[in-house]
Amino acid sequence: AQSVAQPEDQVNVAEGNPLTVKCTYSVSGNPYLFWYVQYPNRGLQFLLKYITGDNLVKGSYGFEAEFNKSQTSFHLKKPSALVSDSALYFCAVSRDYGGATNKLIFGTGTLLAVQP
Amino acid sequence: NAGVTQTPKFRVLKTGQSMTLLCAQDMNHEYMYWYRQDPGMGLRLIHYSVGEGTTAKGEVPDGYNVSRLKKQNFLLGLESAAPSQTSVYFCASRNPTYPYNEQFFGPGTRLTVL
Repeated sequence: AQSVAQPEDQVNVAEGNPLTVKCTYSVSGNPYLFWYVQYPNRGLQFLLKYITGDNLVKGSYGFEAEFNKSQTSFHLKKPSALVSDSALYFCAVSRDYGGATNKLIFGTGTLLAVQP
Repeated sequence: NAGVTQTPKFRVLKTGQSMTLLCAQDMNHEYMYWYRQDPGMGLRLIHYSVGEGTTAKGEVPDGYNVSRLKKQNFLLGLESAAPSQTSVYFCASRNPTYPYNEQFFGPGTRLTVL
């Protein structure tokens, strides 16, 4: 069965410092990995995804994520945090079922708080 | 493009009342989904549809029904609301051309059942 773990409920970082939001996954076969962001009272917005190839994926708003197959991780990173990055971040995983619908499995979310 | 829209934005129900949540998308996506979001539990899939006239159960389908009479609309119904259904409901859609295409989410409906 597929699963996603986000071990930190909240991450606090000072503005201008690098940030990391952690995600580990469990899936049989090759995974597709996603990061979504949710701002207060809004729906989820897609940030980036890993399909195959380069382990470092770049996405929206200066975010990037590193896929590590041996550690089954897909951590979200940004070199310099902004106060406006404060939001709830979700990691999600799916895989190719060979034509059938692939359902996303979401982590429980990590609240990122960036202090000015 | 409006993307994915949901109505209503907020609703308060009494136990036993019924209601329907409407999701509409203008991206011509085949696949549509209904999720619920609860604190500390992330998003859980309620029902989904892979095309007009077809629906399937997700992870937490009990107490909900859905219909997909038109490709652009996906309705979620609660026949007899219970306090356990207090949640934020999100609709999403996806182009199934590739299995790794991302889902697009609506703004959500906040439902309180008293």
